[in-house]
Amino acid sequence: DGGITQSPKYLFRKEGQNVTLSCEQNLNHDAMYWYRQDPGQGLRLIYYSQIVNDFQKGDIAEGYSVSREKKESFPLTVTSAQKNPTAFYLCASSIQGNFISYNEQFFGPGTRLTVL
Amino acid sequence: GNSVTQMEGPVTLSEEAFLTINCTYTATGYPSLFWYVQYPGEGLQLLLKATKADDKGSNKGFEATYRKETTSFHLEKGSVQVSDSAVYFCALSQFTGGGNKLTFGTGTQLKVEL
Repeated sequence: DGGITQSPKYLFRKEGQNVTLSCEQNLNHDAMYWYRQDPGQGLRLIYYSQIVNDFQKGDIAEGYSVSREKKESFPLTVTSAQKNPTAFYLCASSIQGNFISYNEQFFGPGTRLTVL
Repeated sequence: GNSVTQMEGPVTLSEEAFLTINCTYTATGYPSLFWYVQYPGEGLQLLLKATKADDKGSNKGFEATYRKETTSFHLEKGSVQVSDSAVYFCALSQFTGGGNKLTFGTGTQLKVEL
């Protein structure tokens, strides 16, 4: 089955530690995205990547880092510089968009990160 | 910049009731509009979409019409079921030099009771 997997489903970290969230897709999509979801605030874009070895900051990139070494993988690192990292993190992917058409974003099941 | 405003929840309905969740947007040009649904503990799934003015998106009994004159994309369903209980997100997309990016509303929780 094609889709997006995120692991782990639940993650706990101590304050001051970096942690990496995994996102893998086998949909052969060029574009991948990371969102953060907080209660009452909808989804906010952290980083996105349109192609391998390239990525751009979203609206709330501070305290996060990403890499895109392979088409199917887009890991997100939450660093100790992120002031309030406890949230639900969602990864998504899509075929590459253009100015004529929109391409649906497919979402993974999410990772819930809790800082203790 | 772009923004999406949707009605606050939770919305609580009895089974078979009529559902409306309001959504309005602010954007330049001609965005595409979407409704996504999130069931408890899961990611988001695309429910329906409309890519130009007066288009009607529909899926699983849900409908929404792209109204450019009122900048709205309200979600409706004639008869809700308990299984429709979820959080619904309105979103818009516009192509920029950085690709297609989604702007989401804050979400509306729907609870359907027997």
